[in-house]
Parts: sequence; C-alpha cells; structure tokens
Amino acid sequence: DQQVKQNSPSLSVQEGRISILNCDYTNSMFDYFLWYKKYPAEGPTFLISISSIKDKNEDGRFTVFLNKSAKHLSLHIVPSQPGDSAVYFCAASEGGFQKLVFGTGTRLLVSP
Amino acid sequence: DTGVSQDPRHKITKRGQNVTFRCDPISEHNRLYWYRQTLGQGPEFLTYFQNEAQLEKSRLLSDRFSAERPKGSFSTLEIQRTEQGDSAMYLCASSPGTGETQYFGPGTRLLVL
Repeated sequence: DQQVKQNSPSLSVQEGRISILNCDYTNSMFDYFLWYKKYPAEGPTFLISISSIKDKNEDGRFTVFLNKSAKHLSLHIVPSQPGDSAVYFCAASEGGFQKLVFGTGTRLLVSP
Repeated sequence: DTGVSQDPRHKITKRGQNVTFRCDPISEHNRLYWYRQTLGQGPEFLTYFQNEAQLEKSRLLSDRFSAERPKGSFSTLEIQRTEQGDSAMYLCASSPGTGETQYFGPGTRLLVL
C-alpha cells in the first residue's frame, strides 16, 4: 500500500524554465511533508518542508504547495538549472515528525 | 559541522554471511534513523532511536536484523545470515529531536552474492 505516490517517474525541462514535481498521499494523518533531492551514490539531501497548517512555503528558487483537500503537494523550481538534475523524493510523516514515508521519486533532467 | 557519516560505503558479501554497518550522526542529534532503499523505490523506514532507546521497528526488520545505539551516539546495523534480497542501499539519518528535519548520510550499498 503506497501511502505517498509520485506518479511521474521522470521530467525533462529546459534551463531557465519552471520544473513542477507532483506528489499525492493517501494518509490523512500526515502532518508534515518534505522534499529531498538525491544524486547517484549519495544520500538524500533535504530541500524544503511544509507543515499541514500551511499551504505554501518558499525558499529561494524552491516553493512547495500543499493542497490538503486534494491530498496533493507540488514542488516548483524556478528557474531550473542543470545542477538541479537529480531524483526528487517526496516524503511525509505523522504525529510529530518521526519516521518518514517516501514516494518512489521523480528523475528531473534540466537541459542547457 | 560534519554531516552524517556511514561506514563502509560499499559491502559485497556472500549469502549466509553476517555484515555490520556503522552510522555516526551529526553531533548532538538525539534521533537516529535507519532506512533501506532498493532500486526504483524510495527509502523505507527500518527503525529509529531516541538517544540509546530503540523506539520503533518496522516489520521490514526481520529477526535477522538488529540495530544498536549503545551510548546514544553512533549506531550499528547488523544483518545475520544475509540473503540476496537484502541487497540494497542502507541509509542512516539523524535529527536534533522530534519535529526536526532528518539529515541523511551517504549510505552503505550492500550486494549479497
């Protein structure tokens, strides 16, 4: 039972354009959501998070949007850069931020 | 501030052998987590510690797996009688405490032949 889903395995975007990565979840008890970026042979790197009491959080080029009624969140990267090419994981937790439940990841390729 | 470190980075073993991995969390991080990632999947939770206490174990953690954090600092994950299905990336993460972001180490890639 996949509680966190990333339905797009891959996404290709041109440098300078917007990248939008999507994530859906099924567990209504999730109250904290995070995005991690992962390069090959490295561990996931934390990017940005959002609490369920908010609907938007911004950090530089990265913005996360949360739609609780739709159980959907998205990560916007503007402008996209070739160095953003990586696998992006959506993760969620419930009740005080303990174990994380991850999606299967979306591979982003930003071409010059 | 150094990040989470894991040792070894790679391990190749034969089926039936025991292996042990080590994780050193970020200094003064009270919480330490173990995850496992297989090809094409996201990391899956295995277990976590608050200081030296192991607070939760996933049903993925069969009785061949054991984790310890004896002094509340580094942690070890041991797999006994390894099976080919244990081949995966084993990730360690730490956080200052509850409600805090988890920071991951580079992982230990295990291949069981």
